[in-house]
Amino acid sequence: NAGVTQTPKFQVLKTGQSMTLQCAQDMNHEYMSWYRQDPGMGLRLIHYSVGAGITDQGEVPNGYNVSRSTTEDFPLRLLSAAPSQTSVYFCASSTGTSGSDTQYFGPGTRLTVL
Amino acid sequence: AQSVTQPDIHITVSEGASLELRCNYSYGATPYLFWYVQSPGQGLQLLLKYFSGDTLVQGIKGFEAEFKRSQSSFNLRKPSVHWSDAAEYFCAVGYNNAGNMLTFGGGTRLMVKP
Repeated sequence: NAGVTQTPKFQVLKTGQSMTLQCAQDMNHEYMSWYRQDPGMGLRLIHYSVGAGITDQGEVPNGYNVSRSTTEDFPLRLLSAAPSQTSVYFCASSTGTSGSDTQYFGPGTRLTVL
Repeated sequence: AQSVTQPDIHITVSEGASLELRCNYSYGATPYLFWYVQSPGQGLQLLLKYFSGDTLVQGIKGFEAEFKRSQSSFNLRKPSVHWSDAAEYFCAVGYNNAGNMLTFGGGTRLMVKP
């Protein structure tokens, strides 16, 4: 199993550009989520999905869209990038939606918005 | 709202010395507790987790953590640190009523002196 994969690893955008961060998992996990990591703030939840066709907002959803058309894929879209979205983005998946279920993280995408 | 505090932003220890990383949480009931490690440029790897039973939890790489309900703490310990333990460590809590969302602390960066 490849686990959770993310592409690209690095990206530089100009303010106002749009892009999609890709996330895929091959573990047949129902739950997937996106976090952003900023210095001193740990990871904060952006959006999550409890199954194909179902998504919901996390703690910091503004400026981001998600969709979940398949169990495997959970892309994150930035509609109009802003410098405040400069961050490292992590995708995660887990087998269930219980608070005790372990989440598995991808390697991250480092995004810089100029 | 639930929160997680890691009071130490940076910690430096000598190789072979013991280590304790502090974590305090705020929540009305018993949460699910996790420690993750992030090596430079990598994603997050689960070290250990607690959700019931014995309050002393053993994890990978020789780490352990103790849940203390009276202190709302879940401190991570290792008796003898190795240079390869240099990384950033994150404490996180999960809740059943939050759709498996994790709330993270701000992280503690560990440096190991030879």
